[in-house]
Amino acid sequence: AQKVTQAQTEISVVEKEDVTLDCVYETRDTTYYLFWYKQPPSGELVFLIRRNSFDEQNEISGRYSWNFQKSTSSFNFTITASQVVDSAVYFCALSEAQEMTGANSKLTFGKGITLSVRP
Amino acid sequence: EPEVTQTPSHQVTQMGQEVILRCVPISNHLYFYWYRQILGQKVEFLVSFYNNEISEKSEIFDDQFSVERPDGSNFTLKIRSTKLEDSAMYFCASSEGLEEQFFGPGTRLTVL
Repeated sequence: AQKVTQAQTEISVVEKEDVTLDCVYETRDTTYYLFWYKQPPSGELVFLIRRNSFDEQNEISGRYSWNFQKSTSSFNFTITASQVVDSAVYFCALSEAQEMTGANSKLTFGKGITLSVRP
Repeated sequence: EPEVTQTPSHQVTQMGQEVILRCVPISNHLYFYWYRQILGQKVEFLVSFYNNEISEKSEIFDDQFSVERPDGSNFTLKIRSTKLEDSAMYFCASSEGLEEQFFGPGTRLTVL
């Protein structure tokens, strides 16, 4: 069974601070995919990143960076120089590849972290 | 940029009534999903659909739920007899395969 744990529930920072959102996952599969989604107050789910289990390279995209460590089953997300517009709920998610259909199986989401960035 | 669309954005219904939530996935995608999010909680998988049949479903997806792809563009979720606990945001998603799932804006279902 797959499981995603986001132990932090709410984080509040002041604008321009760096913030790291933690994600720990469990899976028995060797091939799997990890995701981060952002859910702003408007409610939609915005895709941020996808990593596969064979690619442990850290990734940076502007102010966002992700640290994937298989040894600790973690996929942490850092926002550098946070801005008020970063205020949202952030979900980490996991899926396992389905050999039968050639697609990802269901996404298993963590409970989400509510990030508040104060001006 | 292509996107997943969902209608209606908000549906209010009486307990026991049937509702149909509609989704138009991205046109070249082959894999379709429904998820729900009870207010303030995490997003939960309901069902996945490929090649005109259900490929996976969760224990939430009981006999009250059904999905259909009635034509080449729509993907629907039907709840036969709604209960109060069905009140949630329902998200449709689609994907090409191993790529990310693209989510629609959601339909907020309120059961009174």
